Amino acid sequence: AQRVTQPEKLLSVFKGAPVELKCNYSYSGSPELFWYVQYSRQRLQLLLRHISRESIKGFTADLNKGETSFHLKKPFAQEEDSAMYYCALLYSSASKIIFGSGTRLSIRP
Amino acid sequence: DTGVSQDPRHKITKRGQNVTFRCDPISEHNRLYWYRQTLGQGPEFLTYFQNEAQLEKSRLLSDRFSAERPKGSFSTLEIQRTEQGDSAMYLCASSLALLGRGYINEQYFGPGTRLTVT
Repeated sequence: AQRVTQPEKLLSVFKGAPVELKCNYSYSGSPELFWYVQYSRQRLQLLLRHISRESIKGFTADLNKGETSFHLKKPFAQEEDSAMYYCALLYSSASKIIFGSGTRLSIRP
Repeated sequence: DTGVSQDPRHKITKRGQNVTFRCDPISEHNRLYWYRQTLGQGPEFLTYFQNEAQLEKSRLLSDRFSAERPKGSFSTLEIQRTEQGDSAMYLCASSLALLGRGYINEQYFGPGTRLTVT
């Protein structure tokens, strides 16, 4: 069955420290993976998608098919990074998205 | 704001009542999705439309739930005989799919409708 697992409900790091939000997926086909972010009082928005292979707001994520992981990383956390982060898997003829349960990232000053 | 809009933003209803939510997608988007999100969880897919056709429904969508997109523009999600377990945030998203070109862009989400069933 298709599944996205985010093992950490809360991650708290100091400003300037590296950040890694973990995501593992289960999918038999060729996955398309995303990270969505929701800042306080804002709507869910796309942060990055693996096929773009780009860095957004200093965040990167590499798809590791061997480990079935898509961890989100940033070398130096900033206070404005505090938000809820969801890893997501697109499947079924690119129709529906399966979301993980989310990780709340809290950046301490 | 030309993004996805949802109405109402909040709805409080008594158990057993019917409720209807509306979603207005981004105007040129041909796909429209409904998700439900409960506390501490990520959004869960409910159903989606390609233009006016409802192409897929989740098992989460019991027969008390019905969604329409009559003219391929806005969509409504109706819940009949609401139960306390229906309390959740209902999210709408839209995207543009150009299947002939194998292109589907990202899903853009609305602000959600928070339903509380008392």
